[in-house]
Amino acid sequence: RKEVEQDPGPFNVPEGATVAFNCTYSNSASQSFFWYRQDCRKEPKLLMSVYSSGNEDGRFTAQLNRASQYISLLIRDSKLSDSATYLCVVDNFNKFYFGSGTKLNVKP
Amino acid sequence: EAQVTQNPRYLITVTGKKLTVTCSQNMNHEYMSWYRQDPGLGLRQIYYSMNVEVTDKGDVPEGYKVSRKEKRNFPLILESPSPNQTSLYFCASSLGNPGLAGVGIQYFGAGTRLSVL
Repeated sequence: RKEVEQDPGPFNVPEGATVAFNCTYSNSASQSFFWYRQDCRKEPKLLMSVYSSGNEDGRFTAQLNRASQYISLLIRDSKLSDSATYLCVVDNFNKFYFGSGTKLNVKP
Repeated sequence: EAQVTQNPRYLITVTGKKLTVTCSQNMNHEYMSWYRQDPGLGLRQIYYSMNVEVTDKGDVPEGYKVSRKEKRNFPLILESPSPNQTSLYFCASSLGNPGLAGVGIQYFGAGTRLSVL
């Protein structure tokens, strides 16, 4: 079983839509959680970190559910520039595990 | 400018010819790490280092070596590259212990595309 699993998508949404991604992780002892954004095989860049139950930054909201072992990312009012692959990342005692990513296409 | 620098960005080599990919960060970060990214598999951690002279295996360490003699540098060494090591490699660094709030955020280099023929 993979440490971190994500729906690969793609999610095709119109501008202005609200879209949500889920990510599940297998190790209940995982300590910290992150969402990174990756554009077309470029380097990943941090979108949000989640250390407690959730985090909000503008149009982006991340939620952590430790009981069910999943993390979600909600994007409101999608922009064309949000088109990218979103990577869920989990830290297990100094090791990082990445999901394979969820691709988002925002269309005009 | 705060950054993680990898070199080379592109490399084509042949099976068995030793190579080194360099990684350097100018942020005085303690934690550094190497990943490989393959289609459908996401990023997988190869090795990481908590500080100078402290390194440990990640998820896929076979066929790779690392060293951390200085805080800023963390080279990745392929002693005898094989075609299954053809991949996109990323180096990353973070301030400190990934489990601590705020210090586990990783900054990535631009990547090294390696082809082993």
